[in-house]
Amino acid sequence: QQQVKQSPQSLIVQKGGISIINCAYENTAFDYFPWYQQFPGKGPALLIAIRPDVSEKKEGRFTISFNKSAKQFSLHIMDSQPGDSATYFCGNMEYGNKLVFGAGTILRVKS
Amino acid sequence: GAGVSQSPSNKVTEKGKDVELRCDPISGHTALYWYRQSLGQGLEFLIYFQGNSAPDKSGLPSDRFSAERTGGSVSTLTIQRTQQEDSAVYLCASSLGGGSGDGYTFGSGTRLTVV
Repeated sequence: QQQVKQSPQSLIVQKGGISIINCAYENTAFDYFPWYQQFPGKGPALLIAIRPDVSEKKEGRFTISFNKSAKQFSLHIMDSQPGDSATYFCGNMEYGNKLVFGAGTILRVKS
Repeated sequence: GAGVSQSPSNKVTEKGKDVELRCDPISGHTALYWYRQSLGQGLEFLIYFQGNSAPDKSGLPSDRFSAERTGGSVSTLTIQRTQQEDSAVYLCASSLGGGSGDGYTFGSGTRLTVV
């Protein structure tokens, strides 16, 4: 079922640093690329999403960079904070279908 | 309700017993999804309901797993003859449906432990 490869599995970043998580996909029919954030004991929550007609989307400290030709997209967290410590999942969805998720990245921001 | 509600939040069952997990989606959301998250693992798709269409059951791992959605609202995931490998967090999500562009709202999950 793994159609999305996410890396790294875990990441430790100093407070104030930049966190970068990458995803690669195979199915070119995918047309929606979200990132979800999950805190312990909670369900994942939508953080930010992008469509393939744009190369970048920014919301506050969170930016998605999208490279259609390479079939890759990444999440950048600027000025990372301890409160950003969570598990992050990238997702892909083909129109009218369900989301498939990457394996997740555990982010720890050290204060 | 304001969010997706799942019950119970925790369930411990003996191997071989049947369990039922319940999901109450956001009112008006036509699409409902079940995912499974094993310890340290990603989100594994199980089943997807969209309106009155036949559900997409392609992710169910075995015929011990089944789900239904009554009246286009509440859904129940049933696991028969539970095995230890069924231990996981079962997450339900709902969305407005109709295709891409709708963020999923997840519940907090049911943590199932099979002993």
